[in-house]
Amino acid sequence: KAGVTQTPRYLIKTRGQQVTLSCSPISGHRSVSWYQQTPGQGLQFLFEYFSETQRNKGNFPGRFSGRQFSNSRSEMNVSTLELGDSALYLCASSFADSNTEAFFGQGTRLTVV
Amino acid sequence: AQSVTQLGSHVSVSEGALVLLRCNYSSSVPPYLFWYVQYPNQGLQLLLKYTSAATLVKGINGFEAEFKKSETSFHLTKPSAHMSDAAEYFCAVGLDTGRRALTFGSGTRLQVQP
Repeated sequence: KAGVTQTPRYLIKTRGQQVTLSCSPISGHRSVSWYQQTPGQGLQFLFEYFSETQRNKGNFPGRFSGRQFSNSRSEMNVSTLELGDSALYLCASSFADSNTEAFFGQGTRLTVV
Repeated sequence: AQSVTQLGSHVSVSEGALVLLRCNYSSSVPPYLFWYVQYPNQGLQLLLKYTSAATLVKGINGFEAEFKKSETSFHLTKPSAHMSDAAEYFCAVGLDTGRRALTFGSGTRLQVQP
């Protein structure tokens, strides 16, 4: 069974640009969550999507957004990139009714220069 | 609201020694608790989870954790460390309130000395 797939694995962007990251969940999983991991702030919850609807949102500015498609694949977008957005972005998928057990992808390493 | 505290950002043990990684949580409702491991440039891999079925939880790679409500703790242990256990370990808490969001501790980097 294929795991959670995140693309691309590495990305370098310039300040002010925007970026889109993609996540394909495990087959049958309908919930997709996104996390940001930085050395200073650790792992922080960004948002969660279920059935194409954002169910929960963490404490991030509106520059961070996401969406989910009918096949449960999800994308997250960051607009007007700042240096501080450099991080490992992790996607996690889970069954809708599970006790929040989440399976993580390998992440996308975003570097903003 | 919930929070997780991991005591010790770095822990070093000798190969074959006991591994003990500490995690304390705070939660207004009964929590679900997890331990994840992260190897360099990788995502997170679930080691074990507590979901109220049993207080002693066994996970992969010989790890186990015990939920102690009175101490609000969920410490991770392994009787005998192996070189391959060197990684960063994260404790996380989730709530069964429809909010599919995990709150993570700051992580503990485990070093295993030969």
